[in-house]
Amino acid sequence: DTEVTQTPKHLVMGMTNKKSLKCEQHMGHRAMYWYKQKAKKPPELMFVYSYEKLSINESVPSRFSPECPNSSLLNLHLHALQPEDSALYLCASRQTSSTYEQYFGPGTRLTVT
Amino acid sequence: GQQVMQIPQYQHVQEGEDFTTYCNSSTTLSNIQWYKQRPGGHPVFLIQLVKSGEVKKQKRLTFQFGEAKKNSSLHITATQTTDVGTYFCAGQWAAGNKLTFGGGTRVLVKP
Repeated sequence: DTEVTQTPKHLVMGMTNKKSLKCEQHMGHRAMYWYKQKAKKPPELMFVYSYEKLSINESVPSRFSPECPNSSLLNLHLHALQPEDSALYLCASRQTSSTYEQYFGPGTRLTVT
Repeated sequence: GQQVMQIPQYQHVQEGEDFTTYCNSSTTLSNIQWYKQRPGGHPVFLIQLVKSGEVKKQKRLTFQFGEAKKNSSLHITATQTTDVGTYFCAGQWAAGNKLTFGGGTRVLVKP
């Protein structure tokens, strides 16, 4: 199984809502990532978890709150978002050995109204 | 911060022709990876280059890593409509978790 799954596929939320994005992988990867991608732009790193611990936070606003409950799951909790936060949110995972490739999920298309 | 510059931003190619996309870093990279993202899709890993001067081929795709490990290229021969998408290079300056993407080359193929 070389798949990273993400739910939901699409999400529309108001600026006062609280929602969560979910990511799951069963490849035994111990590094997991959240990226934000705006249209016609490259993925932009937000957070990295390594062995369930937050190792990188790219100065992301606190309205985005990541969580790694176990080695297979990664959540992104959203609260009080702004319209400019509308984007494709991609989850990725990587085996923490000599290989570097990242496996991306299909993403969650988020629209903030 | 450290950046990877990628050119061209757009590439319109006649089917059957060749094209090349280039990436450049001002400082030495630990490794560079290439990803392809189809329209409406997500990035899919193509290759990783680690060694100075490394050249790798995948069918019609040829990937190169410069001798100084500061630049890389992807050359596609005999372009097909299935090559449509955005090609990203992504660099790492230290082996580890953080990957920095170039701006991407968006490829459109004219049949």
